[in-house]
Amino acid sequence: EAQVTQNPRYLITVTGKKLTVTCSQNMNHEYMSWYRQDPGLGLRQIYYSMNVEVTDKGDVPEGYKVSRKEKRNFPLILESPSPNQTSLYFCASGLNYGYTFGSGTRLTVV
Amino acid sequence: GNSVTQMEGPVTLSEEAFLTINCTYTATGYPSLFWYVQYPGEGLQLLLKATKADDKGSNKGFEATYRKETTSFHLEKGSVQVSDSAVYFCARQTSYDKVIFGPGTSLSVIP
Repeated sequence: EAQVTQNPRYLITVTGKKLTVTCSQNMNHEYMSWYRQDPGLGLRQIYYSMNVEVTDKGDVPEGYKVSRKEKRNFPLILESPSPNQTSLYFCASGLNYGYTFGSGTRLTVV
Repeated sequence: GNSVTQMEGPVTLSEEAFLTINCTYTATGYPSLFWYVQYPGEGLQLLLKATKADDKGSNKGFEATYRKETTSFHLEKGSVQVSDSAVYFCARQTSYDKVIFGPGTSLSVIP
């Protein structure tokens, strides 16, 4: 089944403790992206990658890092999480004709 | 600038009612247009798309027509069901690396 898999689905962490949210796709897509979804703010792009070893900032990249060492994986790294990064995060992959989204990771930073 | 505007929600309809969710966009060039649906507790799913003017996207009884002259891509369904309750996002893409989403419209369908 074609899918984007994110882990974990839920995560509660403390301020400053590094964490990684994984994202993997099995569709051989070149393009992958991370979004955060917040009430009243909609979906905002954090980072995207057009291919292996090619990443670029989206609209809200501050406080996040990504890497793209292999085509299928695109982890989101929070080196020092802060409470304002509490959000619902989505990974997406796809080509020009529509994204496939993961099921989301609900992150709470206390 | 480049943006996507959707009608404000939430929208509440009775089962079998007609649905319209308005979407307009601004963009340079000729964007591809999409509707995504997000069911409670899930990620977004691509509902339908149109890639050029006058194209009609359709899926699961939903339709939207790419209207270049009015820069619109309104979502319609003739008879909604309770299972259609979700948040609907209009989106546009003009370049390979940028998709802009509208703010989303929440739909509740009551029996």
